[in-house]
Amino acid sequence: EDQVTQSPEALRLQEGESSSLNCSYTVSGLRGLFWYRQDPGKGPEFLFTLYSAGEEKEKERLKATLTKKESFLHITAPKPEDSATYLCAAAQGGSEKLVFGKGTKLTVNP
Amino acid sequence: ETGVTQSPTHLIKTRGQQVTLRCSSQSGHNTVSWYQQALGQGPQFIFQYYREEENGRGNFPPRFSGLQFPNYSSELNVNALELDDSALYLCASSAAQGTETQYFGPGTRLLVL
Repeated sequence: EDQVTQSPEALRLQEGESSSLNCSYTVSGLRGLFWYRQDPGKGPEFLFTLYSAGEEKEKERLKATLTKKESFLHITAPKPEDSATYLCAAAQGGSEKLVFGKGTKLTVNP
Repeated sequence: ETGVTQSPTHLIKTRGQQVTLRCSSQSGHNTVSWYQQALGQGPQFIFQYYREEENGRGNFPPRFSGLQFPNYSSELNVNALELDDSALYLCASSAAQGTETQYFGPGTRLLVL
């Protein structure tokens, strides 16, 4: 069964303290790995799509990477406004659905 | 470019009632997917519609049903509401079925009492 596991469940950082979030997936024939940001009570906001192992994408203080079994979301010098839940989702080739992890709740203290 | 919109934003129903949630897809998108997100969990796939036809379904009972209209907007209907149906219902649209990035709306918060 397709599965996505995110760790840690929660992460507290000081402003400027860089770290990484992990997303492990077991999906046969991965066609895409997606990262979203979700603020409380809101819908997920799209961040990145990664398609193949070795691919990297960056946006401001965020960088997403992909291997054959994992994806990482690296946060460099975070600010309090980066506080949110970060969701990872995998899509299997030929499938219409996204399989989501439970998310990592990130809190950045000033 | 208009993003995905959903209505209503909040809804309170009692057990056994029926509810209809609505979604307008992003301009240029012809595929709509619906997800249920319980508190503290990731979104769970309910079903997807492409060109007015159901194009895949998750592990949800038949009392969850949907429609897609010619303008690609969509409805999610839930009959015989149960307490466990309380959740954030998310609609996502994409430019094509199967491979494209899905863009989410703000969600409808449903509370079943």
